[in-house]
Amino acid sequence: AIRMTQSPSSFSASTGDRVTITCRASQGISSYLAWYQQKPGKAPKLLIYAASTLQSGVPSRFSGSGSGTDFTLTISCLQSEDFATYYCQQYYSPYTFGQGTKLEIK
Amino acid sequence: EVQLVESGGGLVQPGRSLRLSCAASGFTFDDYAMHWVRQAPGKGLEWVSGISWNSGSIGYADSVKGRFTISRDNAKNSLYLQMNSLRAEDTALYYCAKDPNYYGSGSYAYFDYWGQGTLVTVSS
Repeated sequence: AIRMTQSPSSFSASTGDRVTITCRASQGISSYLAWYQQKPGKAPKLLIYAASTLQSGVPSRFSGSGSGTDFTLTISCLQSEDFATYYCQQYYSPYTFGQGTKLEIK
Repeated sequence: EVQLVESGGGLVQPGRSLRLSCAASGFTFDDYAMHWVRQAPGKGLEWVSGISWNSGSIGYADSVKGRFTISRDNAKNSLYLQMNSLRAEDTALYYCAKDPNYYGSGSYAYFDYWGQGTLVTVSS
């Protein structure tokens, strides 16, 4: 099975900061990568698919990049509503998620 | 508006069975593949199973293969997960999730809409 490793597992930041979360696949997955945001007690919400395509309705401060094995999610200017846990997911073969990155308020 | 509403969760003893349901609305259900994804308490996400729009293609995670069965009833806009021989490690919140691919086989899919989940607790 393809293993997805996110880093960091957690970190603190302030509103207005630019933050980057990394996701690495144990083998090449082309651009078959999605990013989700999950808030406590809520279902995951799709942010990005195909590594860099923004889901409809998602603010443009979110962006994704990468292909092959290395991917990043960037939030350009953190807002209060962005503090959550973020997951990457590969959908190349078949589906596995990263362990999550918890973004907390500094 | 797309809505997915899961039901059927509860407390069950190890070795017993449970059937989950997911009622879909707000989209043409029989045009899309559907999936189950679970999340153990305080843990990450794990894909469980997926089914194509016409039930012609089905897949399972190795952790549930041979114990769980996914099915759908397009006339009722409903997705199901029959869970047999339940184990403590099956304890999780089970989400129903929609595949965005029109007439999708269930492969190469991310999940564009999720329900709120139904909690399954396996304990004696």
